[in-house]
Amino acid sequence: GENVEQHPSTLSVQEGDSAVIKCTYSDSASNYFPWYKQELGKRPQLIIDIRSNVGEKKDQRIAVTLNKTAKHFSLHITETQPEDSAVYFCAAPFNQAGTALIFGKGTTLSVSS
Amino acid sequence: DGGITQSPKYLFRKEGQNVTLSCEQNLNHDAMYWYRQDPGQGLRLIYYSQIVNDFQKGDIAEGYSVSREKKESFPLTVTSAQKNPTAFYLCASSFGDGYTFGSGTRLTVV
Repeated sequence: GENVEQHPSTLSVQEGDSAVIKCTYSDSASNYFPWYKQELGKRPQLIIDIRSNVGEKKDQRIAVTLNKTAKHFSLHITETQPEDSAVYFCAAPFNQAGTALIFGKGTTLSVSS
Repeated sequence: DGGITQSPKYLFRKEGQNVTLSCEQNLNHDAMYWYRQDPGQGLRLIYYSQIVNDFQKGDIAEGYSVSREKKESFPLTVTSAQKNPTAFYLCASSFGDGYTFGSGTRLTVV
């Protein structure tokens, strides 16, 4: 089955810096890669996702890149702000239909002002 | 107001007792999921259901059971066979891409 590795487990940056979180996956058939953000005491929320037919997707200050050959994908946050502080999870399909997801262990991002 | 509701928020049980966690959604989503969240372990998939009367095991199904008799409901039973049941349990639903998560149930077994 699919296995997702996420690094780093913790990341501290200064406000305005960029942050990058990387995930690797094992199943070359996987074709959908979402990222979720979980603020302290709140439920995870989808912030961006990418399908395997594109290499990059952007939404304002966040972007996701995908390298199918190397089987890894990354979340990029530019101009970080204190409200970006949260736990970020990457995910990949657990089943063939891609409806169930397997998550990475999470990255705790701290943005200090 | 559409959403997904988990109850109760906190649950305490004695060791050896089965306990059922509730998950209800009014989003008309076909698929529902149960995850377990432990510190440093991320979200681990317990069971999922893509349609009523059907469900599949996830990565860590041992010691858990589910049912999906109604589209709106996907209860999770933590049985006495689950060796380490104390955890935070998250339910989610989806229609297409993107999960909607519930607010979770924190189960403590003493």
